[in-house]
Amino acid sequence: GPKVLQIPSHQIIDMGQMVTLNCDPVSNHLYFYWYKQILGQQMEFLVNFYNGKVMEKSKLFKDQFSVERPDGSYFTLKIQPTALEDSAVYFCASSPQGASNERLFFGHGTKLSVL
Amino acid sequence: KTQVEQSPQSLVVRQGENCVLQCNYSVTPDNHLRWFKQDTGKGLVSLTVLVDQKDKTSNGRYSATLDKDAKHSTLHITATLLDDTATYICVVGDRGSALGRLHFGAGTQLIVIP
Repeated sequence: GPKVLQIPSHQIIDMGQMVTLNCDPVSNHLYFYWYKQILGQQMEFLVNFYNGKVMEKSKLFKDQFSVERPDGSYFTLKIQPTALEDSAVYFCASSPQGASNERLFFGHGTKLSVL
Repeated sequence: KTQVEQSPQSLVVRQGENCVLQCNYSVTPDNHLRWFKQDTGKGLVSLTVLVDQKDKTSNGRYSATLDKDAKHSTLHITATLLDDTATYICVVGDRGSALGRLHFGAGTQLIVIP
């Protein structure tokens, strides 16, 4: 079936550095999402993205966070600078044009460890 | 406050037994509810989606119910297998559009033993 790929699967960086998490969504999908899961807690919505714009974001989506998808390449989440509390697994998801939220595909997640 | 509560937190069953997982939520509006299976260190695999006011779905050994009046859902797994060991997550979508938010439960950790 359709797959959302996330690269890398694990990233370790020092606090204060910049990090970019990459997501290769399902081809022909137009809606993209990032969710954050801290170890032992439930997954929480960060942001959704459509037509080159952030449509909605939660309070977890701090000013240090940004997303983009330049020219149909990876959908990225950039954190600059990183903080210790950014350590979590970040899940990317995508859904097709005009589809309801039910038709959503998730990646396997990128585990971010901030030291 | 957590809007999606799952019970039990963890569950151990013997291979071949049946089990039932519960999900109660307070999300409003509640457009749809989905059950995911998450293997350790892996992504989410969708098991079923429930949409109607009172809905039932069946997908192989998985069956689920939804009662939007009670804001309650159950996931039944019959004749469990060792590979069913995973975390099962209840997710409520607050809109039918692609821009709706998903509200996740903390999951029920199911362990199937021989």
